[in-house]
Amino acid sequence: QVQLVQSGAEVKKPGSSVKVSCKSSGGTFSSYVISWVRQAPGQGIEWMGGIIPVFGTANYAQKFQGRVTITTDGSTDTAYMELSSLTSEDTAVYYCAREAVTRGVNYFDYWGQGTLVTVSS
Amino acid sequence: DIQMTQSPSSLSASVGDRVTITCRASQSINSYLNWYQQKPGKAPKLLIFAASSLQSGVPSRFSGSGSGTDFTLTISSLQPEDFATYYCQQSYSTPRITFGPGTKVDIK
Repeated sequence: QVQLVQSGAEVKKPGSSVKVSCKSSGGTFSSYVISWVRQAPGQGIEWMGGIIPVFGTANYAQKFQGRVTITTDGSTDTAYMELSSLTSEDTAVYYCAREAVTRGVNYFDYWGQGTLVTVSS
Repeated sequence: DIQMTQSPSSLSASVGDRVTITCRASQSINSYLNWYQQKPGKAPKLLIFAASSLQSGVPSRFSGSGSGTDFTLTISSLQPEDFATYYCQQSYSTPRITFGPGTKVDIK
């Protein structure tokens, strides 16, 4: 059974950066896209970007270009999402999710438990 | 970006009710549409992929239909554990996927 386990909650100052990890177990880590999405309190779900570990190339949402970096470490089957220049609007729960494909349709079949990032002075 | 809308934004229903949620895309997305259920404090859970395919382990009271721009999620007989928020998500423009704003289903 695939499991994605994320790092713990973070409290950050405005202007700083945060790095969240997502460790995969029980599946073939390198072959699937790992995406990051976020959900601000009481709000909807927003895609930030994704990476295919076997290729190491990431795609980012226009909104986060230049501010987000998604990487992987194949030796530990772990994905990372680093977000810089934090503001209070970045306060949210951040999720990693595995992207599967069936008949050409991509969907998120496994999710991490979420990491709350609070940005406050 | 492809914009997704959902209606209603919230609804109240009773156990045993038939519930239908609608999702509309700003352009045709063929059948590149998925549905998720989210309970408070939990990650979303995949219910339906490719518009109408039931994810393994999901009860058969959940069903999805539609193609192009208009889609529906139907719960045939609402159960107590189904009170949650439901999101549609398009993957036509992968990797730039987008989610709908959600529909909250609560107890009447």
